Amino acid sequence: AQTVTQSQPEMSVQEAETVTLSCTYDTSENNYYLFWYKQPPSRQMILVIRQEAYKQQNATENRFSVNFQKAAKSFSLKISDSQLGDTAMYFCALGNQFYFGTGTSLTVIP
Amino acid sequence: GAVVSQHPSWVICKSGTSVKIECRSLDFQATTMFWYRQFPKQSLMLMATSNEGSKATYEQGVEKDKFLINHASLTLSTLTVTSAHPEDSSFYICSARSQLAGNIQYFGAGTRLSVL
Repeated sequence: AQTVTQSQPEMSVQEAETVTLSCTYDTSENNYYLFWYKQPPSRQMILVIRQEAYKQQNATENRFSVNFQKAAKSFSLKISDSQLGDTAMYFCALGNQFYFGTGTSLTVIP
Repeated sequence: GAVVSQHPSWVICKSGTSVKIECRSLDFQATTMFWYRQFPKQSLMLMATSNEGSKATYEQGVEKDKFLINHASLTLSTLTVTSAHPEDSSFYICSARSQLAGNIQYFGAGTRLSVL
């Protein structure tokens, strides 16, 4: 079975500061994909960043980066220089058929 | 990025009627589409995986006769909620997977279904 766990239901960060959202997962597959999606109040799911499990190098996309620890099955998202538009629900997802975590509600405080 | 169109965005219907939701990939071919259900302040729950030209694969606990899925072309999948009841009221989201983009799923904007 594949599972995804996000242990932080809510987080907040001051504008321009850095915040890290945690995600752990479990899978028996050796090669897989991991994703972070954001869902703003509009409820449109938007891809933030993607990581392939066979790649050891952590993925980065502008202000967003991940800390991928395959052995520990951990996949955290770091948001640098937080902006008001980053306020959203953030979901970690695993695999080809997406198994989503329960989400982390992030609020960026002006 | 790729665009997925979902229609309608909001539908209100009477109990007992059927509602069809369309999901289209506008600028890429999607051999696989997915249907999710999301309750307020909760995560997305995968309902079924839809492969073009074949029967959908439903997740455990999802009634296939209740939620009919058709994936007749590489750019269109439909979800029909048959004989809808108030407990079917929810937010339904579709996604389409682009194999050319490393299994990324692109999501529609969702459909809010309210059954009276």
